[in-house]
Amino acid sequence: DAMVIQNPRYQVTQFGKPVTLSCSQTLNHNVMYWYQQKSSQAPKLLFHYYDKDFNNEADTPDNFQSRRPNTSFCFLDIRSPGLGDAAMYLCATSRDLTGGNEQFFGPGTRLTVL
Amino acid sequence: QQQVKQSPQSLIVQKGGISIINCAYENTAFDYFPWYQQFPGKGPALLIAIRPDVSEKKEGRFTISFNKSAKQFSLHIMDSQPGDSATYFCAAMSQGQNFVFGPGTRLSVLP
Repeated sequence: DAMVIQNPRYQVTQFGKPVTLSCSQTLNHNVMYWYQQKSSQAPKLLFHYYDKDFNNEADTPDNFQSRRPNTSFCFLDIRSPGLGDAAMYLCATSRDLTGGNEQFFGPGTRLTVL
Repeated sequence: QQQVKQSPQSLIVQKGGISIINCAYENTAFDYFPWYQQFPGKGPALLIAIRPDVSEKKEGRFTISFNKSAKQFSLHIMDSQPGDSATYFCAAMSQGQNFVFGPGTRLSVLP
């Protein structure tokens, strides 16, 4: 029944050690998003894919990369995690970018950087 | 102009009371206004949404009031329950653009 699945739910990494978070969807949606959410803050959009078209937010650090090998999967790569990258990472999908399209969020991956 | 302001930052309500959260925006191109509910350790989930062509939308105990001229919208939770305790985010979107989220309101409903 799960629609947006994120693995792992909890990830611990060391300072500077690359880490990959994964997201999969069963909704066959065109758009997949990655958000960063820090404690008591709103989700902050990092980037999104519309199909294979990658759209990076202007203020997303170069340290964050993403891959979408097919419709169902999307990965977030953090090349050299810093202590400030500790956060909840949320994946979301929507059918397209027209107004009124609900974004469906996954449960998130909580990243700890030691 | 892309900001969405939200207040209050936190709200404590007695069981059975009315919870009211307010949001305001500047960008008149916004044409879709959803509210998301987020429980601790979970992703946000859509609660209710409205378009600017209506002034009010009600779903069960949840109502959105929308004032287009004032560029404000609000969420009312009637008969608030302890299970409603969560963080609520308003958001706004324009055609072809991404969501802009408000900063969130942490609601606590006391039993």
